[in-house]
Amino acid sequence: SYVLTQPPSVSVAPGQTATIPCGGINIGTRSVHWYQRKPGQAPVLVVYDDSDRPSGIPERFSGSNSGNTATLTISRVEAGDEADYFCQVWDSSSDHFYVFGPGTKVTVL
Amino acid sequence: QVRLEQSGAEVKKPGASVKLSCKASGYTFTGHHINWVRQTPGQGLEWMGWINPNSGATGYAQKFQGWVTMSRDTSISTAYMEVNRLKSDDTAIYYCARVDYSRGEALDIWGPGTRVTV
Repeated sequence: SYVLTQPPSVSVAPGQTATIPCGGINIGTRSVHWYQRKPGQAPVLVVYDDSDRPSGIPERFSGSNSGNTATLTISRVEAGDEADYFCQVWDSSSDHFYVFGPGTKVTVL
Repeated sequence: QVRLEQSGAEVKKPGASVKLSCKASGYTFTGHHINWVRQTPGQGLEWMGWINPNSGATGYAQKFQGWVTMSRDTSISTAYMEVNRLKSDDTAIYYCARVDYSRGEALDIWGPGTRVTV
């Protein structure tokens, strides 16, 4: 089955940029979605199809995808961005149609 | 407003079953697949399966086949998931989520989750 990798944690100072990688074999050929999950809350879709944002998601959230790495970038980080971030792809050849990365905890210093 | 409302927390003994509900509002229930995803303590998100509310067709991750059953009642726009033969490692938060076909089949709306403690 298809496997996604993410670093367990990323720390960033307020106002700086957080970069969260998501690795997978030839992930650049797939659509990648990103979800934000704050403690005690349901996940929220923040980026879909690699780089698009649902309405209501700040422009500070952006995504890219190429080769073996997709990336979620959070610019001008705010304290409210502290959360777990999960990447996800759809894999019809896998037993798990929806494959999630293990998640990255973003800590705002 | 598009929403998914889920049933309240459950505490079960090992070997018991639990049936969770997920009520949709603000959109055409039969127009979007519902997926179930769980998060176990300290772990990431695990996809369990899907249901097509229009046809009732279902699909499960192999790990859950045979002991998880998904169903729906279109008259009340509600999806259900029953988990049988519960074990301690089934303790988790169970989410239902809607598929958005216009967004690469991303899960665009999530319920608040139901905490199940075994």
